[in-house]
Amino acid sequence: DTAVSQTPKYLVTQMGNDKSIKCEQNLGHDTMYWYKQDSKKFLKIMFSYNNKELIINETVPNRFSPKSPDKAHLNLHINSLELGDSAVYFCASSQGGLPLHFGNGTRLTVT
Amino acid sequence: GDSVTQMEGPVTLSEEAFLTINCTYTATGYPSLFWYVQYPGEGLQLLLKATKADDKGSNKGFEATYRKETTSFHLEKGSVQVSDSAVYFCAPTRGNTPLVFGKGTRLSVIA
Repeated sequence: DTAVSQTPKYLVTQMGNDKSIKCEQNLGHDTMYWYKQDSKKFLKIMFSYNNKELIINETVPNRFSPKSPDKAHLNLHINSLELGDSAVYFCASSQGGLPLHFGNGTRLTVT
Repeated sequence: GDSVTQMEGPVTLSEEAFLTINCTYTATGYPSLFWYVQYPGEGLQLLLKATKADDKGSNKGFEATYRKETTSFHLEKGSVQVSDSAVYFCAPTRGNTPLVFGKGTRLSVIA
């Protein structure tokens, strides 16, 4: 059984479109995260939710909006996509913070 | 703020060679220290961890010792295998969230 699952695995879209990436965890964890990994493999946190409440919001354009309908889900919605948004986006979860369990990533390509 | 510096990759080694990947960090207080590994096409996985000074984390033949005096957590393995080819990330963690990952070091092991 997949612990942290993201969909879709690949997403190719044009500039200006709006898209969503979904994340679900079946580990019963209380905290979920979104990370962005750029082409140089530098991994930066974007958002963190604890029990559906936003606790970390790093310097991310407000075109990115996370939504957590319940503890097991944290979706990422992106408006007006730009070329620079192309990256791999990883969802993760944890209980008590450590360690993180990562999904397999969503490769977003904006053309 | 907290930061971490990893040695630049890529690192290319022959099978059975000795591996060292350096990691140094800057942080207030004493964070927990983690190494994560990312195999091709997958998300990050926890490789090993150490939660206090002089602790040694180990897993799958890899080891790293928490050195408070040098603020380092270098990853070592005595004899690498082709299956160890991956990207390795050092992650000092404080509180409930690893805010910073190293940029990742790509290891390629050739037979």
